[in-house]
Amino acid sequence: EDKVVQSPLSLVVHEGDTVTLNCSYEVTNFRSLLWYKQEKKAPTFLFMLTSSGIEKKSGRLSSILDKKELFSILNITATQTGDSAVYLCAVPTNYGQNFVFGPGTRLSVLP
Amino acid sequence: DGGITQSPKYLFRKEGQNVTLSCEQNLNHDAMYWYRQDPGQGLRLIYYSQIVNDFQKGDIAEGYSVSREKKESFPLTVTSAQKNPTAFYLCASSMDRGDEQYFGPGTRLTVT
Repeated sequence: EDKVVQSPLSLVVHEGDTVTLNCSYEVTNFRSLLWYKQEKKAPTFLFMLTSSGIEKKSGRLSSILDKKELFSILNITATQTGDSAVYLCAVPTNYGQNFVFGPGTRLSVLP
Repeated sequence: DGGITQSPKYLFRKEGQNVTLSCEQNLNHDAMYWYRQDPGQGLRLIYYSQIVNDFQKGDIAEGYSVSREKKESFPLTVTSAQKNPTAFYLCASSMDRGDEQYFGPGTRLTVT
């Protein structure tokens, strides 16, 4: 059975801290891994990773994939209160027809 | 403005009633999806459609039905057979299967 696991499930930090969110997966016919940010309602897309070892970066957020060890990390540096959200990891399965989501990591950034 | 819309935002129904949730996109995307999200859990796939007039069951399709008569529209019906329908429902679309998904704002359904 295809599975995506995220850790930690919940994290509380103070502004300025750096955080690392983890996502591990077990899926057949792996193609890519996606990260989303969900603040109140609709998840918004952050990154899609397909190649191992190549970092994707957007401002203070960055992510990298390790296809050998079957995991990805999402780093957020110099966190701000606006980074408070649930961060979801997702992997397409069944040749991209289906998506399996992890449970998410709820990040709370305190002022 | 291109995007994906869902209506209504909040929906209240009595047990035993069928209810239909609307999802429309003007992004010209081929693929559309319906997810259910329960508190503290990730998204679980209900149904997906890669092209018009074709759709497939996801992991938790029992008690739900869909149609895809137009490329822009993918309505979800929650039937009385769904045992625990109270949840947050999200619709998404993508250019092609496996691509990044764009999500609508969601519909929160409460059944009493």
